[in-house]
Amino acid sequence: QVTLRESGPALVKPTQTLTLTCSFSGFSLSTSGTCVSWIRQPPGKALEWLALIDWDYDKYYTTSLETRLTISKDASNNQVVLTMTNMDPADTATYYCTHLSRDTVAATGYSFDSWGQGTLVTVSS
Amino acid sequence: QSALTQPASVSGSPGQSITISCTGTVSDVGSYNLVSWYQQHPGKAPKLILYEDNKRPSGISNHFSASKSGTTASLTISGLQAEDEANYYCCAYAGSSTWVFGGGTKLTVL
Repeated sequence: QVTLRESGPALVKPTQTLTLTCSFSGFSLSTSGTCVSWIRQPPGKALEWLALIDWDYDKYYTTSLETRLTISKDASNNQVVLTMTNMDPADTATYYCTHLSRDTVAATGYSFDSWGQGTLVTVSS
Repeated sequence: QSALTQPASVSGSPGQSITISCTGTVSDVGSYNLVSWYQQHPGKAPKLILYEDNKRPSGISNHFSASKSGTTASLTISGLQAEDEANYYCCAYAGSSTWVFGGGTKLTVL
């Protein structure tokens, strides 16, 4: 059974750096095709894909935020970390950690099949 | 990476069928058979209900179905039930290991 859990500060001040940790079980991020992604959702608004790291340490970011985002993994400890610099009140959102598996040759998968419960981050002074 | 376009809201009575559209571009919805759909109840995390355009994960009811034509994907819920009332999001693979979501559709069961 795949489980993911996000942890991090509930409140950050503008201009600070946010660090979120995703702790997971039920899969290995060293297995070919396995990925972890971060997705956020401002209160009352839509989902927004942010970043993905795959089994091979390759990293991908949404274009609009790529200068502020860093994703990394500690596969041995089953954790993925997302940092976002220069936080702004517009970054207030629930941040979700998700599991994705994909077969790049067969072009299958590519969907977020398991989600953490999410963690609400409020940016305010 | 512009958001996919969904209607803000749809409604239907129990037992009826509804369809939610999701319009993208030739770079995302129109390029790959990799549209997925998520159901989100208030205060809960989203849940995958369809993937690879029209496949259902294990345990998902067959009253959820999906299709695609060109740059528009569609989610159909047949035999509406009260518990189907939720927000629904489409998502498309946009190439280069990036994804784009729709703006979400609130389904009201009358």
